[in-house]
This record gives sequence, C-alpha cells and structure tokens, in this order.
Amino acid sequence: AQTVTQSQPEMSVQEAETVTLSCTYDTSESDYYLFWYKQPPSRQMILVIRQEAYKQQNATENRFSVNFQKAAKSFSLKISDSQLGDAAMYFCAYRPNDYKLSFGAGTTVTVRA
Amino acid sequence: DTGVSQDPRHKITKRGQNVTFRCDPISEHNRLYWYRQTLGQGPEFLTYFQNEAQLEKSRLLSDRFSAERPKGSFSTLEIQRTEQGDSAMYLCASSLEAGQETQYFGPGTRLLVL
Repeated sequence: AQTVTQSQPEMSVQEAETVTLSCTYDTSESDYYLFWYKQPPSRQMILVIRQEAYKQQNATENRFSVNFQKAAKSFSLKISDSQLGDAAMYFCAYRPNDYKLSFGAGTTVTVRA
Repeated sequence: DTGVSQDPRHKITKRGQNVTFRCDPISEHNRLYWYRQTLGQGPEFLTYFQNEAQLEKSRLLSDRFSAERPKGSFSTLEIQRTEQGDSAMYLCASSLEAGQETQYFGPGTRLLVL
C-alpha cells in the first residue's frame, strides 16, 4: 500500500517570504507521479505542480518549485514570494500507474500581511 | 466554463434517505474518478471509470454506494439508506486516458446527514 505523509499540519509565512512544505511517501514502484494540489477554503482543489518520477529535474511553476528526492521518497514544495492568495490547504498526492491518487492529510498555509 | 462540474453543491438529508450526486467531466476526458473527503483530511479514492466501464472500486465503497457512467460522459453516485458517517465532501475528477493524465477536480458536493 502507498502512503503519503505530510508532517506539518500548519505553516505560517510572512507575505513576500518563502515557505517550504514537506511530503514523504512510501512506495515500491519505480514509475509514478507526484502532485501538489491547493484547496482554498470552500473552493475547489486546483493543481499547483506535478513531477514525473523518471525526471531528475525538479519541476517549477512560477513561484512554486519542488525538491524531489526519489531515493529518500521526499517531495517538498517551496512557495516563493508568498502572496495573500496563497493561503489554502495544500495536499501532496502520489499516483502510481493504476491512476488512483493517494493524498496526504494536508498542510494549512496562512499568509501574514 | 469547461471545467468539471458537480451538482448539487450542497445536500442535507435525513438518515435513511437516498441521495444522488452528478458529475460532468471535462468534455474530452474519458477517465472519471470519485473521491470522498472528510473535514480536515485529504481525499480518499472511491471508484473510477474509463468511458462507461467502472474499473475499480475502493473497499470504502460499501454496498449502499453505487456509481454509474452510462454513456461515458456524466456520472452519478448514489448513496442508499444514508448514515451519519456518510457526511463528507464528495469530489469528482476527470483526466485524459493518455498524455499528462493529471486529474482535474470539480467543486464537490458537500453532504450532511442528520
């Protein structure tokens, strides 16, 4: 069974600063995908960034970047230049070849003005 | 708007009643997924379809739950004889069969069973 662990229930960041969210996962697969999703309060879940396990290069999307450590089974998300609109619950998700997403418990990010 | 849509957005029902939710995926997506999310937790997989075929069901999906996708387009999720433990957000997602295969989520249906 695959499990995804997010060890930080809550993180707080000052506007314009950087915050890093941690995620570890357990798998015996070699080919899989990893995702970070953002879920604002009472709003729908949207994709932030994705990483293919076969790619060594870390994915980046504007102010969002990941640090993918395959051997350590670690997949952290860095939010740079944090904005008030970044406040949300962030979920790390793992997807093997059977297409099911397994999610972590989430990290609530608060941005201080 | 061509995103995933779900209806209704909110549903309050009494224990023992049946409820049905609808999901309309992104039009060219032939994979459709249902997840359940309880308060403060990440979503949990329930079932998924490729076109009209239901390919996998989670153990979370008891006999009271049934899902269909009759024409390979929209899907329905029915819960019979609802229980208070069924209260949750029910999320639908869709993806292409091949290519990026990223799952795109709808806004969810929040169910409250009294």
